[in-house]
Amino acid sequence: GAVVSQHPSRVICKSGTSVKIECRSLDFQATTMFWYRQFPKQSLMLMATSNEGSKATYEQGVEKDKFLINHASLTLSTLTVTSAHPEDSSFYICSALSGLISNQPQHFGDGTRLSIL
Amino acid sequence: GEDVEQSLFLSVREGDSSVINCTYTDSSSTYLYWYKQEPGAGLQLLTYIFSNMDMKQDQRLTVLLNKKDKHLSLRIADTQTGDSAIYFCAESNSNTGGFKTIFGAGTRLFVKA
Repeated sequence: GAVVSQHPSRVICKSGTSVKIECRSLDFQATTMFWYRQFPKQSLMLMATSNEGSKATYEQGVEKDKFLINHASLTLSTLTVTSAHPEDSSFYICSALSGLISNQPQHFGDGTRLSIL
Repeated sequence: GEDVEQSLFLSVREGDSSVINCTYTDSSSTYLYWYKQEPGAGLQLLTYIFSNMDMKQDQRLTVLLNKKDKHLSLRIADTQTGDSAIYFCAESNSNTGGFKTIFGAGTRLFVKA
């Protein structure tokens, strides 16, 4: 089945550091990728929708200058948390859609646990 | 806007059947999904059903859809300790551009040995 690889799986860094998270579709072309944030014991919160070759669409309340998204190819999207602070600590999960057909299920990466000290 | 609701906890004994319920508000829902999340991991797609179907069975998993009541359930037969996880119900429809998926808050399944 479709595989989405997310890297790194865990990051611990100092406040003020910028952190880049990669999301790759390994065996399919992902025209659309999604970035979610999950707080402990809560559901996923959609942060942004990333389409290959165009600017990401951010959900209301998500700072686009804080969370930079780049979807440069059909198999790679990156999320950069700029100047991270302790309140940015969270579990970040990406997902990808395998085609242009709507209503297909999303395939998820294993997530990145970000801890800012 | 669209909303998906599910109970937060379910506890069953190993070997029993588990039934996780979900309700949604969007009558335009086209696809309904069940995802599983184990601790510290991402979401794994378990199964999904088209809105024009009533039931879908896949090994130990049975999905029932009552479109009139906008009610979706996931039944896990012969529940095992390895089934302990959070189960997310989700829906998508063409009105949301076809790509946006709405997730429930997740049901945490505890399986007692």
